[in-house]
Amino acid sequence: AQSVAQPEDQVNVAEGNPLTVKCTYSVSGNPYLFWYVQYPNRGLQFLLKYITGDNLVKGSYGFEAEFNKSQTSFHLKKPSALVSDSALYFCAVNLGGYGGATNKLIFGTGTLLAVQP
Amino acid sequence: ETGVTQTPRHLVMGMTNKKSLKCEQHLGHNAMYWYKQSAKKPLELMFVYNFKEQTENNSVPSRFSPECPNSSHLFLHLHTLQPEDSALYLCASSQGVGGGNQPQHFGDGTRLSIL
Repeated sequence: AQSVAQPEDQVNVAEGNPLTVKCTYSVSGNPYLFWYVQYPNRGLQFLLKYITGDNLVKGSYGFEAEFNKSQTSFHLKKPSALVSDSALYFCAVNLGGYGGATNKLIFGTGTLLAVQP
Repeated sequence: ETGVTQTPRHLVMGMTNKKSLKCEQHLGHNAMYWYKQSAKKPLELMFVYNFKEQTENNSVPSRFSPECPNSSHLFLHLHTLQPEDSALYLCASSQGVGGGNQPQHFGDGTRLSIL
């Protein structure tokens, strides 16, 4: 079955420290990968995506993510965390792949990032 | 983000009521989506519309009835809901359903509570 796993329900990090939010996927073919962030009482906001090319992609608010095909992972990273980064983060996989005919996303269960001052 | 607007933001209804959720996008997109977000569960895709045509119904119970009169508006009509339908309902839009490399843009959702 095609799935996305976010193994940590919560990640705690001190402000100024680097952060990593983990994501692994299990899908056939070459998926497109996305990260979204959700602040309290808000919808999901797009952070970044991997389609093809350089395995390290940069996105909004200083976030970046590294695609690792052999490990089927797409971990979200930031060199220096801010208190304002505290939110719920979702990894998602698009089953469309290269030139696919669908924009159907499969989401992970989300990871709550808590940044302490 | 004001690109996708959902109303109402909060809705409390009894199991015998009929209500509708509204979504409007101002991004010029052609595809619109309804998702259900429940605590501790992945987002569940409910319906997909592309150029007003429904292209996906993810085995959603018939008590949820979507309507897409044009590419900018999407409705979710609700009737005889169950307590387990209480959740955050999110609307999203994207440039299209083809290709799959375009991000979806989400509204802030409607928090639905069934009494």
